[in-house]
Amino acid sequence: GAVVSQHPSWVICKSGTSVKIECRSLDFQATTMFWYRQFPKQSLMLMATSNEGSKATYEQGVEKDKFLINHASLTLSTLTVTSAHPEDSSFYICSARRGAREDTQYFGPGTRLTVL
Amino acid sequence: RKEVEQDPGPFNVPEGATVAFNCTYSNSASQSFFWYRQDCRKEPKLLMSVYSSGNEDGRFTAQLNRASQYISLLIRDSKLSDSATYLCVVDSGGGADGLTFGKGTHLIIQP
Repeated sequence: GAVVSQHPSWVICKSGTSVKIECRSLDFQATTMFWYRQFPKQSLMLMATSNEGSKATYEQGVEKDKFLINHASLTLSTLTVTSAHPEDSSFYICSARRGAREDTQYFGPGTRLTVL
Repeated sequence: RKEVEQDPGPFNVPEGATVAFNCTYSNSASQSFFWYRQDCRKEPKLLMSVYSSGNEDGRFTAQLNRASQYISLLIRDSKLSDSATYLCVVDSGGGADGLTFGKGTHLIIQP
């Protein structure tokens, strides 16, 4: 149990376009989902926390108008990278938590974004 | 700044040996602690949670020292398949969500 999927697994786009990444919890309802970003040889960095039905909470330094997060249901959160630039190229990983009292986060397989 | 510090390695260890990793964390409000394993270009996978009393799962033993804000992972009888990056992870503490990841320790088990 506790499977999280992401789509697409990789994407290449031109500078200035927008890219949407989906994160789904397949066999459980996720009250909270998280979006992380990982640059090569770096640690995962939390970008934002997404709660179903409410606005996402962004970490300091993450532009909320550039990284749009929508948590429309208990099994789906989306991250849209708007007007992507080459410096946005990274590995984006989502995770989901089953309940408010559960500490464990289950990670999706990640999406590798390359902006040309 | 909330940080988790780890020795990046790489640790080159012969198969069958015992290897230990440590990490320190700066946020004294953190309540939950984990070790994750990440294979190259893959997502992190939970290896084990870390409890104050120490816990063991097969060949893996984790220890937490809250006073020193120090976490350790011991791997006994290492296997080739243990080669990976091991991430020390703590929660953000203070009721906040999200996890803070260390940069990871790269382990290479050699035949």
